[in-house]
Amino acid sequence: SYVLTQPPSVSVAPGQTARITCGGNNIGSKSVHWYQQKPGQAPVLVVYDDSDRPSGIPERFSGSNSGNTATLTISRVEAGDEADYYCQVWDSSSDQNYVFGTGTKVTVL
Amino acid sequence: QVQLVQSGSELKKPGASVKVSCKASGYTFTSYAMNWVRQAPGQGLEWMGWINTNTGNPTYAQGFTGRFVFSLDTSVSTAYLQISSLKAEDTAVYYCARNPAGTPEYFQHWGQGTLVTVSS
Repeated sequence: SYVLTQPPSVSVAPGQTARITCGGNNIGSKSVHWYQQKPGQAPVLVVYDDSDRPSGIPERFSGSNSGNTATLTISRVEAGDEADYYCQVWDSSSDQNYVFGTGTKVTVL
Repeated sequence: QVQLVQSGSELKKPGASVKVSCKASGYTFTSYAMNWVRQAPGQGLEWMGWINTNTGNPTYAQGFTGRFVFSLDTSVSTAYLQISSLKAEDTAVYYCARNPAGTPEYFQHWGQGTLVTVSS
């Protein structure tokens, strides 16, 4: 089945930019979606279709996808952005329709 | 607004069964499939499968056949996840999740999660 690989952790100072990668074979040909999950809470969709934001998600969250890597970028990082982030793709041809990445813990220093 | 409200935490002994509920509101229940996602302690998200809320037909992901059963009660807009012959490794938070209108590709709405703990 399709595998999505993320770095286990990313550390960033407040006000700086965090970049979280999601690697997969030819992932650029798929749509990638990103979720934020804070401790004890359900995941929240922050980016869908590579780079679109749901209503209510700050413009500081952006996404891109090309080749074998998709990236979630968080600009002007705030303490409240500290969370786990998961990428996800949909594979209709597989019996594992929804594939999640391994997850990245973003720590705000 | 769309809301998915799940039942409370459960503590079960190995070999027992558990039934988790997910009550939907704010939309027509039978217009959207319901998905289930598992998250073991300290681990990532794992899709378990989905149930067609129109027909009641379930689809299980690899690794979730046999002991896992999805069901519905459309009269109360509620989806259920039942796990039988519980094992310690079933300890996890279980989420129900719904797609947005117009696409099956991701989850826009999530329940708050139900922690199932299996311990003797």
